[in-house]
Amino acid sequence: NAGVTQTPKFQVLKTGQSMTLQCAQDMNHEYMSWYRQDPGMGLRLIHYSVGAGITDQGEVPNGYNVSRSTTEDFPLRLLSAAPSQTSVYFCASGNSGHEQYFGPGTRLTVT
Amino acid sequence: AQSVTQPDIHITVSEGASLELRCNYSYGATPYLFWYVQSPGQGLQLLLKYFSGDTLVQGIKGFEAEFKRSQSSFNLRKPSVHWSDAAEYFCAVGFKAAGNKLTFGGGTRVLVKP
Repeated sequence: NAGVTQTPKFQVLKTGQSMTLQCAQDMNHEYMSWYRQDPGMGLRLIHYSVGAGITDQGEVPNGYNVSRSTTEDFPLRLLSAAPSQTSVYFCASGNSGHEQYFGPGTRLTVT
Repeated sequence: AQSVTQPDIHITVSEGASLELRCNYSYGATPYLFWYVQSPGQGLQLLLKYFSGDTLVQGIKGFEAEFKRSQSSFNLRKPSVHWSDAAEYFCAVGFKAAGNKLTFGGGTRVLVKP
């Protein structure tokens, strides 16, 4: 199993550009989520999904969209990047009531 | 509002000394509790977890944690620290009604002196 994979590892965007962060898992987990990590703030939940076709907002959803068309994939879209979205983004997956497994992260810089 | 507090932002410890990292949470229901470790530039690795049962939980790399309901705490301990334990440690809390949504503390960065 590859576990949770994320691409790209690094990305630089200009303000106003859009992009998609990819996340895939091969563990048949029902639950997937996106977090952002900022210094001193731990990880904050952006969006999550409890299964294909079902998504919901987390703590900091503004400026981000998600969809879950398959069990395996959970892409995160930045519609119009802003400097405040400079962060490290982690995707995670797990089954309900169990621990989550995290991907290696995507470091995003918005200039 | 639900919250998780890690009071210590940085801790410096000598190699071979003991380590204790504090975590306090504010929740109404009985939580699921986790400790994750993050080495520089890496993702998060689960050290240990508590769902129910014995309140003293053993994890990987020689770590343990104790759930104290009366104090709303889940402190992480290691009897003898190795240089490779230098990393950032995150406490996280979830609960059954919220599915797998986790709330994280702000993290504690551990530096190990030779």
